[in-house]
Formats: sequence, structure tokens, C-alpha cells
Amino acid sequence: GQQVMQIPQYQHVQEGEDFTTYCNSSTTLSNIQWYKQRPGGHPVFLIQLVKSGEVKKQKRLTFQFGEAKKNSSLHITATQTTDVGTYFCAGKNTGTASKLTFGTGTRLQVTL
Amino acid sequence: GAGVSQSPSNKVTEKGKDVELRCDPISGHTALYWYRQSLGQGLEFLIYFQGNSAPDKSGLPSDRFSAERTGGSVSTLTIQRTQQEDSAVYLCASSSPQGGGYGYTFGSGTRLTVV
Repeated sequence: GQQVMQIPQYQHVQEGEDFTTYCNSSTTLSNIQWYKQRPGGHPVFLIQLVKSGEVKKQKRLTFQFGEAKKNSSLHITATQTTDVGTYFCAGKNTGTASKLTFGTGTRLQVTL
Repeated sequence: GAGVSQSPSNKVTEKGKDVELRCDPISGHTALYWYRQSLGQGLEFLIYFQGNSAPDKSGLPSDRFSAERTGGSVSTLTIQRTQQEDSAVYLCASSSPQGGGYGYTFGSGTRLTVV
């Protein structure tokens, strides 16, 4: 079945440093979504990318969808302590079912 | 409602007992999903509803797990003869039929502990 892997599994940065998480799917995706889960919380939707090569920005966050629609990345510029949490990508297969397959997640720790 | 509501928020049960978890999605959201998250792990898909029907129940781990949805709204996930490996946070999500790039809205989850 479809697998979605993320690297790194965990990253610890100092506030102000940049952070990137990478997402790779075993199958071509119709779209990819990103979610953030704060410690003790539930996943919260951040953004959806649909087009091949698409780039979207939300303040300090930059999201990219690969040309082959099998990979994606999330880059955070100048991290802040409020960025702490686990970031999940989630992909929807081309064709049928509506469900999202979530990636393995990247846990980000930010310290002063 | 304004958000996805799940109950109970916490459930401790003895091994072998049955449990029912409830999800009340956002009004008007026809799609409803159940996922499971073990401690420190990712989200494992369980079942997807479109209206009252379940076109994809491929993630249910065993026949001890079942789910239903009535009136295109509230859904119940039932686990029979619970086992310790069933301990996890069970998350419900709903999404708009129009899509529109708004993603899933998750509830706060039910933390199930089987002792």
C-alpha cells in the first residue's frame, strides 16, 4: 500500500535557526496537505498543494510540491518557540478514495 | 457545531470489555474519518465515511473494530473485547464536501487505555 515517509524524524534547533522537513510518497499524489500537531494536541490543517512544482508561503513557512508529485517539503525560516510541534504531511492518491495517508511526522523542538 | 466533538475525552477500560467512541462532525461535512495515533507515532487510518456509507474501511485492524454513521452526522467507533494493543488516541476528522483546500478538521480525540 501507499507509504509516506518523512525525514528527519526529530530535529532540535535554536530559536532563529531555519528548519526543513521532507516528505516522500511511494505513489504519485493528487494533492498533499500539511498539518501541525502541538504537544498534547490534535493535528491542525496548515495548507494544501495541488499542482506539480507548486510553492506556497505562509509568513515564515514555505511549502513545496515536487514536479513528479511524489514529494514535498516544509521550510520554516527563523524558527520561534511557537513552532514547536510535530509536522505531518498527508497525501491523497490519484484516482479513487478520499482518505489521506499521513506521513511519519517530524518532531521539531526549538530552544532559546 | 463549530468544531468536531469527540466523547469521551478519556476512557480507561479493562481488557476484554467493549467500548464505544463517539464523533460529532462539523455540520454539513459529509466526509468523516477515523484515525488512530499511538504514543509518539503517526496517524493510522481506520475508516472513511461519505454520508452514511463507508467506501473505505480498509484500515480497521480486526473484526473487533466496527463503525457506523447515522443521519449523515454522528459516528460511533466500537471496539469489542478490547486488548492492550488497542490503547491509543482515537481521532475523528471531518471535511467539507466542496473540498476547497480546507483540509480535515480534527476533534481533540479519545484517549483509550486498556488495562
